[in-house]
Amino acid sequence: RKEVEQDPGPFNVPEGATVAFNCTYSNSASQSFFWYRQDCRKEPKLLMSVYSSGNEDGRFTAQLNRASQYISLLIRDSKLSDSATYLCVVTPGGTDKLIFGTGTRLQVFP
Amino acid sequence: EAGVAQSPRYKIIEKRQSVAFWCNPISGHATLYWYQQILGQGPKLLIQFQNNGVVDDSQLPKDRFSAERLKGVDSTLKIQPAKLEDSAVYLCASSLDRPYEQFFGPGTRLTVL
Repeated sequence: RKEVEQDPGPFNVPEGATVAFNCTYSNSASQSFFWYRQDCRKEPKLLMSVYSSGNEDGRFTAQLNRASQYISLLIRDSKLSDSATYLCVVTPGGTDKLIFGTGTRLQVFP
Repeated sequence: EAGVAQSPRYKIIEKRQSVAFWCNPISGHATLYWYQQILGQGPKLLIQFQNNGVVDDSQLPKDRFSAERLKGVDSTLKIQPAKLEDSAVYLCASSLDRPYEQFFGPGTRLTVL
């Protein structure tokens, strides 16, 4: 079983739509969780951290469910510029090593 | 602030040849990482340096891959000899004091024929 699993998509949504991505992780000792964004043929960039209490950054909301070992990212009012691959990232307990999922591709169309 | 620099951006070689990649991290960033990203997958950590010391190289195929960061600044990653399955983008990243916030370079796209 992969350490971090994501639906690869693609998710094709119209502008203005709300879209949600899910991610599951296998190591119950994982301590920290993040979403990175990677544009086509570009490098990954940190989008946001994910906290147990949930956190919001503008149109983006991230949630963590430790009991189910599940992380989500919600994007409201999708923009064309949101088109990218969203990588779920987990750090195993006791290290600061980043474990990346395969990513979920989002395509927003006009 | 200048970002992470990598060269070359693209490289095409034949199997069994050697290749080297170079990375210059953001100034002042003590931690440097090399990742391999195969098409359709997320980046996979190959090696992590803290200054010029190796922190984690557990996923580096040491029979063919080597990396160094002699002066604690820039770094090179070498593959010798290359295999077809080494075709990937090799990403270098650096971080300052928050390991989860890594700043990635543009990557080197390697094709092994």
